[in-house]
Amino acid sequence: NAGVTQTPKFQVLKTGQSMTLQCAQDMNHEYMSWYRQDPGMGLRLIHYSVGAGITDQGEVPNGYNVSRSTTEDFPLRLLSAAPSQTSVYFCASSYSSRGSSYNSPLHFGNGTRLTVT
Amino acid sequence: GQQVMQIPQYQHVQEGEDFTTYCNSSTTLSNIQWYKQRPGGHPVFLIQLVKSGEVKKQKRLTFQFGEAKKNSSLHITATQTTDVGTYFCAGRHKAAGNKLTFGGGTRVLVKP
Repeated sequence: NAGVTQTPKFQVLKTGQSMTLQCAQDMNHEYMSWYRQDPGMGLRLIHYSVGAGITDQGEVPNGYNVSRSTTEDFPLRLLSAAPSQTSVYFCASSYSSRGSSYNSPLHFGNGTRLTVT
Repeated sequence: GQQVMQIPQYQHVQEGEDFTTYCNSSTTLSNIQWYKQRPGGHPVFLIQLVKSGEVKKQKRLTFQFGEAKKNSSLHITATQTTDVGTYFCAGRHKAAGNKLTFGGGTRVLVKP
């Protein structure tokens, strides 16, 4: 199994450009999410999805869009890139744990390092 | 919003010594997970604690969940160079629909 695959690994954008970060998982996980990682800030949730056709906002959703047309894929779109979006982006997935106090661990992709100039 | 604070932010440890990193939440947690991220890598799940006062061990790593389920700790004994990395706690807040919130992480550097 490939696990969680993110592309590209690196990307440089100019302010105002748009792009899509790709994320795919082959573990049949219902739950998928996007995080951004900035120094000293830990991992902050951007958007998440509990299943195909369902998405919701996390802590820092502004400037990003997502869609979940299939169980496997969860792309993250930057509509108009800004320097504040320079960060490392991680996609993560897990089995859904609705109504349970036990939550399946997150499986992370290798990340996309994005620089916006 | 719900917050998870992690201290210290940095930890310089002499090889062979012990250290502890702490995780504190502003509200009661359903459970807490710990992850390790090696330099240049991605976070990897280590363990999950669910019960009040729970203690779990993984070789030289000991994880504790507080009685009030608002704090947790990770204690590493006899630190090795392989322990280098950033350790994150991530708590699920009952009051926030069980959303997972990550702490800021403790970056561990080991001096040989």
